[in-house]
Amino acid sequence: DGGITQSPKYLFRKEGQNVTLSCEQNLNHDAMYWYRQDPGQGLRLIYYSQIVNDFQKGDIAEGYSVSREKKESFPLTVTSAQKNPTAFYLCASRTGTGVNQPQHFGDGTRLSIL
Amino acid sequence: AQKITQTQPGMFVQEKEAVTLDCTYDTSDQSYGLFWYKQPSSGEMIFLIYQGSYDEQNATEGRYSLNFQKARKSANLVISASQLGDSAMYFCAMRDLIANRDDKIIFGKGTRLHILP
Repeated sequence: DGGITQSPKYLFRKEGQNVTLSCEQNLNHDAMYWYRQDPGQGLRLIYYSQIVNDFQKGDIAEGYSVSREKKESFPLTVTSAQKNPTAFYLCASRTGTGVNQPQHFGDGTRLSIL
Repeated sequence: AQKITQTQPGMFVQEKEAVTLDCTYDTSDQSYGLFWYKQPSSGEMIFLIYQGSYDEQNATEGRYSLNFQKARKSANLVISASQLGDSAMYFCAMRDLIANRDDKIIFGKGTRLHILP
């Protein structure tokens, strides 16, 4: 089945530690996105990538980093500079540009501070 | 920049009744697309329905329909014959194209819908 796989489902981070969230898609989509969602809130865009080896900052990129070395993969690193990382992280992909293309989402990763 | 506004943080509706979730948007583009997503308590985002700015008819998908009023810049989601499984968070979203290059989707803050038995 085609889809987006995020792992792990739950992740715990110690103070001062970097952690990486995985996002893999087999939909052959060009564009991939990372969102952060805080309890009871909407989605805020962290980073997005429209093609391999290229990505742009979203609205809340500080304390995060990404890479896009392969079309299928768009990992997100939450660095120690992100002082309040506890949140639900959603990865999405989209087939490309065009007004009528919805995003497809993974099941998310819940990150907590130990 | 584009903006999506959902003014209802929460709603309670009796099972089997119809429910309307409000969404207004702000854009200067002539061509744009609007999306609705459902997020159950488990967290996954489920795409429900799409409406294009040039579509002459309101979009429908099963029990979901979109009340699109272009002049008012509103795209309200209507759920007919609500079911207990419709209890979830609902997000309105719109494509945001910047400088004809950066293409992303922006989301409203969502409406939490509770269906009462």
